[in-house]
Amino acid sequence: NAGVTQTPKFRILKIGQSMTLQCTQDMNHNYMYWYRQDPGMGLKLIYYSVGAGITDKGEVPNGYNVSRSTTEDFPLRLELAAPSQTSVYFCASSMTERPETQYFGPGTRLLVL
Amino acid sequence: GNSVTQMEGPVTLSEEAFLTINCTYTATGYPSLFWYVQYPGEGLQLLLKATKADDKGSNKGFEATYRKETTSFHLEKGSVQVSDSAVYFCALSDGTGGFKTIFGAGTRLFVKA
Repeated sequence: NAGVTQTPKFRILKIGQSMTLQCTQDMNHNYMYWYRQDPGMGLKLIYYSVGAGITDKGEVPNGYNVSRSTTEDFPLRLELAAPSQTSVYFCASSMTERPETQYFGPGTRLLVL
Repeated sequence: GNSVTQMEGPVTLSEEAFLTINCTYTATGYPSLFWYVQYPGEGLQLLLKATKADDKGSNKGFEATYRKETTSFHLEKGSVQVSDSAVYFCALSDGTGGFKTIFGAGTRLFVKA
């Protein structure tokens, strides 16, 4: 099993550009999450999904969009990149909503200049 | 609101030294507490957990005790190894599922041979 995979590992964007961060899990988990971690801060929840076709906002959703057309994939879209979106992005999935059951991807480091 | 504060890193130790990484929390009610570890190039993974006061979580030689009187959940290991070099995250959940997990900023540990 690959677990949770994220691409790309690292990306530099110019202000105003768009990009999609990819997240795929092969564990047939219903729950998927996107977090961001800013320097010196804890992870903050951006969006989550409880199943295909269902998504909801987390703590810091502004500037992002998500979709969940399949159980496996949960892409995160940045439409107009801003320097404030410079961060490390983690995708996670879980079989239940209990936090200790979450599996995390290795992260995507994004730099917006 | 709920919050988690953990000691800033990096922490640098020699092999076989004693490790303590401090974590304190603020929460209403009776949260569950967690330690996650992130090895280089990998995602976060659950290291240990405690769900009520005075519980001790343990795994791979690491321990942490849920202290409600001091609102703390310090991570300890009696003898660290080079392979313990990683980033350690303290986290809490107030029981409303993975959607509301609060993470600390992480503490990077370097262990020298």
